[in-house]
This record gives sequence, structure tokens and C-alpha cells, in this order.
Amino acid sequence: GEDVEQSLFLSVREGDSSVINCTYTDSSSTYLYWYKQEPGAGLQLLTYIFSNMDMKQDQRLTVLLNKKDKHLSLRIADTQTGDSAIYFCAESPRPTGNQFYFGTGTSLTVIP
Amino acid sequence: EAQVTQNPRYLITVTGKKLTVTCSQNMNHEYMSWYRQDPGLGLRQIYYSMNVEVTDKGDVPEGYKVSRKEKRNFPLILESPSPNQTSLYFCASSPRDRGHNEQFFGPGTRLTVL
Repeated sequence: GEDVEQSLFLSVREGDSSVINCTYTDSSSTYLYWYKQEPGAGLQLLTYIFSNMDMKQDQRLTVLLNKKDKHLSLRIADTQTGDSAIYFCAESPRPTGNQFYFGTGTSLTVIP
Repeated sequence: EAQVTQNPRYLITVTGKKLTVTCSQNMNHEYMSWYRQDPGLGLRQIYYSMNVEVTDKGDVPEGYKVSRKEKRNFPLILESPSPNQTSLYFCASSPRDRGHNEQFFGPGTRLTVL
């Protein structure tokens, strides 16, 4: 399968910005996704980016995509304690398919 | 309420005893998937389905079976569970006709195989 890699842990202080990084392998992926998993729950879609975009901003969230380096990042501005969760990046190699490759997940801890 | 439900939520069983984890969605979604989540490995797709009677292997299908006889249900079957199938399992569904594929996840089933 594809290798989608993320660092496992990140700690930030409340109010600072968090940056979560991801490298993926399939350059044909049309969409790339960020999912959030709160403790004891399933995953929820946080945001996504179309592969022909470099950046997408959605309130406190900024997604950056570098297709040349196959690098995706998620920046959370003014990080709050409620942002503590596991964040997964994911790619779907076929535009209309249902096959997904998820990263290992980054556990974000926000220190008050 | 639009949701994906899984049953059971927790299960402890013994090696070799066949089990089924049910998944049901009430959103009329065409796509459904099963994943397992393991520490340090993230989420890995076991099987996915793009419609009734259409299923495909994901990244880690060995030891699992699925069926999609109805649109709303997508059960995961472990014919002869082994301890390496101890994991947290998630079912997900998504609608077909969108540019992007937003998956809606169930609450998870924690399985322990002794």
C-alpha cells in the first residue's frame, strides 16, 4: 500500500499555532484530507484540499500543499484545549473511488 | 439523526470463534468501508464497497470477509479470529456524487482476541 507518514506527537501551548505535517506517496491523488479524532470517538472530516490548489484557508485552519515534494500541512491558528485530538491526513488515489490511505496520525496536546 | 452505527462496541472473544461486527448507515450512502486502527500504524483500510454487491480489498484484507447485500449494511466477518486481529475497528460511509469523498465514521468497535 501507499506510505502516508506523519510525526506521532506534537505539543503546543494554548494560543500558539500548531503545524501538523504529512508526506504522501501517490501523486495522482485528486483530493487530500485532514480528519480529526477526539478521544473515544470516530473520525470527522476537518478539511480537504483539491490537488490543483496550493493553499486552502478555513477560519483557523490553513492547509498547504506542495505537490512537488508530496507534502501536506495543517496549521491551526490560536490553538485551544479543545483542539487536543489525533489528526490524520489521508489520500485517495482514484478520483471517484473509495480506496483510502491514512497516515499514522499525529496526537496533538494543547497545554493550558 | 444521520449516523453510522456499529455493534457491538466492545467484544472480547477467543481464537477461532467466528464473529461478525455489524455496520449500518441511514444516509443512503453508496460507499462504505472498514478500517482498523492500531497504535503507530494509523488507520488501515480492510475492505471497501462502492455499491450493493460491489466490494474490494483494501490494504489489509487477510483474515476478514465482508458482504454488501443491502445498501445500508456492511458487516465485517472474522471467520477464525486470531490475537493479531485485536484492534479498534471503524466503519465509514460516504455519498458517491460529490467532488470529494467525505467519509462519516461510526463510533468504533474495540475487539480483543485472546
